[in-house]
Amino acid sequence: DAGVIQSPRHEVTEMGQEVTLRCKPISGHDYLFWYRQTMMRGLELLIYFNNNVPIDDSGMPEDRFSAKMPNASFSTLKIQPSEPRDSAVYFCASSQQVNTEAFFGQGTRLTVV
Amino acid sequence: QKEVEQDPGPLSVPEGAIVSLNCTYSNSAFQYFMWYRQYSRKGPELLMYTYSSGNKEDGRFTAQVDKSSKYISLFIRDSQPSDSATYLCAIANTGNQFYFGTGTSLTVIP
Repeated sequence: DAGVIQSPRHEVTEMGQEVTLRCKPISGHDYLFWYRQTMMRGLELLIYFNNNVPIDDSGMPEDRFSAKMPNASFSTLKIQPSEPRDSAVYFCASSQQVNTEAFFGQGTRLTVV
Repeated sequence: QKEVEQDPGPLSVPEGAIVSLNCTYSNSAFQYFMWYRQYSRKGPELLMYTYSSGNKEDGRFTAQVDKSSKYISLFIRDSQPSDSATYLCAIANTGNQFYFGTGTSLTVIP
């Protein structure tokens, strides 16, 4: 398995535009997580799914953020409209159980200007 | 109060030094304790995984859990420049609860 695959690796967009981040988890992993990392706040959990169902989205900062997992091999995180304060590295991770090793993707570095 | 607290550092040590990284947590229900290492511009990777209290050793790395004090530590012996990274602690239980610390940035100077 190639690991968790995220795309794009880098995204630069203008304020107000829609941004879609994509993630392919490791096959067989039942849990998928979306994190945001900044220097100021560290690694923050935004939302996680179990068997494609959202379990906890309390970390999603506002209604501008939405996440979907239409099937076991694909998830998206969408920001609409984007704002400069959304600039961060967004990580997707997957695991077999919530209390076992989480495998992270390489991250998407988002810059909103 | 956050579920897990971690000193962000940064921490800078000379090569060969012993490094101690620490986290505290608030809920005694947590049973699984992990340390992740994150190199610059990479995703975090699991370094150590422990269940309940006690010590676990892997080469130059030792993870220690003190559940009575709600305190977890990672020790790095004979630190190397290649150990320069951000280290994140993580805690979890069987009830779908898990949390990451904010990470401690470590630089080992040759």
